[in-house]
Amino acid sequence: GAGVSQSPSNKVTEKGKDVELRCDPISGHTALYWYRQSLGQGLEFLIYFQGNSAPDKSGLPSDRFSAERTGGSVSTLTIQRTQQEDSAVYLCASSSTSGRARGTDTQYFGPGTRLTVL
Amino acid sequence: AQKVTQAQTEISVVEKEDVTLDCVYETRDTTYYLFWYKQPPSGELVFLIRRNSFDEQNEISGRYSWNFQKSTSSFNFTITASQVVDSAVYFCALIAGGFKTIFGAGTRLFVKA
Repeated sequence: GAGVSQSPSNKVTEKGKDVELRCDPISGHTALYWYRQSLGQGLEFLIYFQGNSAPDKSGLPSDRFSAERTGGSVSTLTIQRTQQEDSAVYLCASSSTSGRARGTDTQYFGPGTRLTVL
Repeated sequence: AQKVTQAQTEISVVEKEDVTLDCVYETRDTTYYLFWYKQPPSGELVFLIRRNSFDEQNEISGRYSWNFQKSTSSFNFTITASQVVDSAVYFCALIAGGFKTIFGAGTRLFVKA
């Protein structure tokens, strides 16, 4: 079946502009995660959605970052007033709880969106 | 606090050599989950393996094998007879006490022909 998809694959924007990044999780997956990977770095957790529960936003680096998930499926990560330090690859992942302990299932990742802020 | 350490930043081997990627984790939880992911040059993370803390059996999948040792808090990954296609960044990750996945910094593996 189809994997996690993200769009756009690349985004170049000017400092101060707003950007929206989209994630389509694997059909039926109830959990969705956003991560940020800066050049040569590991993955930094941003936000986690699980079903209809309130998302855990504890990883968002500032109030310029927000995310929503509509209808329990597609998610949009919005960065307002972008800064150069926001340049990174933004990765989305989804997982299915399948009755296991919440959040412990294997995450399947999308190809990422490479954001460049000039 | 949870932490994952991948002390090897880069490893370079010649094709057909065996290579082991180290992963050391820290957690106070008795129930936790460990993962390895591969990130090839294309950028997409590929899931390799998931283990829970109650299953210390080592696992082999083709040329890949994993050695989970709770006594040393390690979950090392060995590639036997490496191939050029194994060149990638490999991440070890931990989920403990919740849902947040803690990733190591990754080990970049270069396999030369």
